[in-house]
Amino acid sequence: QQQVKQSPQSLIVQKGGIPIINCAYENTAFDYFPWYQQFPGKGPALLIAIRPDVSEKKEGRFTISFNKSAKQFSLHIMDSQPGDSATYFCAAFYSGGYQKVTFGTGTKLQVIP
Amino acid sequence: DTAVSQTPKYLVTQMGNDKSIKCEQNLGHDTMYWYKQDSKKFLKIMFSYNNKELIINETVPNRFSPKSPDKAHLNLHINSLELGDSAVYFCASSQAGRAVYFGPGTRLTVL
Repeated sequence: QQQVKQSPQSLIVQKGGIPIINCAYENTAFDYFPWYQQFPGKGPALLIAIRPDVSEKKEGRFTISFNKSAKQFSLHIMDSQPGDSATYFCAAFYSGGYQKVTFGTGTKLQVIP
Repeated sequence: DTAVSQTPKYLVTQMGNDKSIKCEQNLGHDTMYWYKQDSKKFLKIMFSYNNKELIINETVPNRFSPKSPDKAHLNLHINSLELGDSAVYFCASSQAGRAVYFGPGTRLTVL
């Protein structure tokens, strides 16, 4: 049962563009929504995270937008660079218990010069 | 100053063999995990330990046996390896209510 649906599966943008990756969740108990960035041959690295009490969070060029009523959240990468080319995973879990983190299926982003 | 480390990075072995992967975290976290990432990049949790106690055990063949000697270590032993076990295995850790941090992964290839 896929509790976090992520789209698109892959994305190609030009340098300077703003790729947007979307995720939708089902479990209303989820209260922590991190995004991970994974380069080939490396482990997923925490990029940015949000809790549902805010609608937006920015860290550098990365922004999470959160829509609690729609149970959706998205990652925006401003002024994307070739170095941002990686696979991005959204995730969700209930932080009050033992974190059984549910991951999205991943989006492979390619930023072309 | 590695946060979550695991060894070996690569593991190539024959079907039927037994192998182990070791993991250590120096973040002081109380929860550790094993995740499996398949060829399609899907990340699936296998096990989770909190303070050395098993708390999450997904539907994983009993050929996989985790062991946590202390809060900072979580090892994974796999018996009678099968072709379908080929994947990248990630160790991870977290502190209650906070994000999970991953190790660099162990790429297991079963021939």
